Amino acid sequence: NAGVTQTPKFQVLKTGQSMTLQCAQDMNHEYMSWYRQDPGMGLRLIHYSVGAGITDQGEVPNGYNVSRSTTEDFPLRLLSAAPSQTSVYFCASSSGTSRVYEQYFGPGTRLTVT
Amino acid sequence: GEDVEQSLFLSVREGDSSVINCTYTDSSSTYLYWYKQEPGAGLQLLTYIFSNMDMKQDQRLTVLLNKKDKHLSLRIADTQTGDSAIYFCADTNFGNEKLTFGTGTRLTIIP
Repeated sequence: NAGVTQTPKFQVLKTGQSMTLQCAQDMNHEYMSWYRQDPGMGLRLIHYSVGAGITDQGEVPNGYNVSRSTTEDFPLRLLSAAPSQTSVYFCASSSGTSRVYEQYFGPGTRLTVT
Repeated sequence: GEDVEQSLFLSVREGDSSVINCTYTDSSSTYLYWYKQEPGAGLQLLTYIFSNMDMKQDQRLTVLLNKKDKHLSLRIADTQTGDSAIYFCADTNFGNEKLTFGTGTRLTIIP
């Protein structure tokens, strides 16, 4: 199993550009989520999905869109990048049947918006 | 809303014990977790404790939970250089896979 994969690892965008951060998992997990990590602020939940076709907003959803057309993939779209979106983005997944709700994290995408 | 708080930095001499503390506000928290993030990597689950437990031990790791004070701690015995990382506490409620993370504590090992 590859686990949770994210592409790209690094990205530089100009203000106003759009892009999609890719996330895929091969563990047949129903629950997937996107976080952003900023210094001194921990991880903040952007969007999450409890299964294909179902998504919901987290703590900081503004400026981001998601969709979940398959169990495996959960892309995060930045519609019009802003410097405030400079961050490290993590995708995570977990199995709804796991009593412990352990989340498995991807390696992250480091995004810089200039 | 709910809050989970940690101090940002901790420095410990190699071979000593490290104690990382966390406080949370949600009295209905069911599971509490410690995740470890090594440089340039994602987070990995280190250990967890169910809310009806006071203590859990796993090799060099000891988790203590004081539900009355909503205080969670992680003790790492015989701290090694490989323990250098950021440690996050997190909590959730039963039936809810959404985690609330603390700010993370960066553990630095002094040789």
